[in-house]
Amino acid sequence: EAGVTQSPTHLIKTRGQQATLRCSPISGHTSVYWYQQALGLGLQFLLWYDEGEERNRGNFPPRFSGRQFPNYSSELNVNALELEDSALYLCASTLTSSYNSPLHFGNGTRLTVT
Amino acid sequence: DQQVKQNSPSLSVQEGRISILNCDYTNSMFDYFLWYKKYPAEGPTFLISISSIKDKNEDGRFTVFLNKSAKHLSLHIVPSQPGDSAVYFCAASVNSGGSNYKLTFGKGTLLTVNP
Repeated sequence: EAGVTQSPTHLIKTRGQQATLRCSPISGHTSVYWYQQALGLGLQFLLWYDEGEERNRGNFPPRFSGRQFPNYSSELNVNALELEDSALYLCASTLTSSYNSPLHFGNGTRLTVT
Repeated sequence: DQQVKQNSPSLSVQEGRISILNCDYTNSMFDYFLWYKKYPAEGPTFLISISSIKDKNEDGRFTVFLNKSAKHLSLHIVPSQPGDSAVYFCAASVNSGGSNYKLTFGKGTLLTVNP
């Protein structure tokens, strides 16, 4: 069974640009979560998508947005990039119907903003 | 306000001995707790979990203890192996009728198991 896959592995952008990060969940998983891990911090919850809809978002500004496609893959967009957006962005998936089913994480996209 | 705290950034243990990783939380609404392990250049992987209705859960070499009155949980690894060397994240969630699945993570503890 293929795990959660994320692309690209690394992404370098300059301040003010836009970044697009992609995630494919485990087959059969319909929920996708995005987390940010900035240097020295734990994982911070960004967004939760389920069945194509945004279900919850963390304490991040609106320039962090995303969507989930009919095949349950997901995209995270970060507009007007700032230096502090440099971080590891992790995507995770889980079965919607499984109560407290553990998240399965991808290996992340390392975003560097210069 | 950090609701899940791992006060030890790092821990070093000899192979074969016990590793004890600690985690404290402040939100009394948390009812489900998990530990994740993360190797460099990889995403976190689920290790073990515990519901607030229990005070202990065991899986092989890994045991998680929950002390609700102290708002404290710990992960015990016995015996520790060099392959256990990784960053360990404590996480907690509030299950609002199954409709709000959002984990709050600690900052992690780097465990080094020396041969």
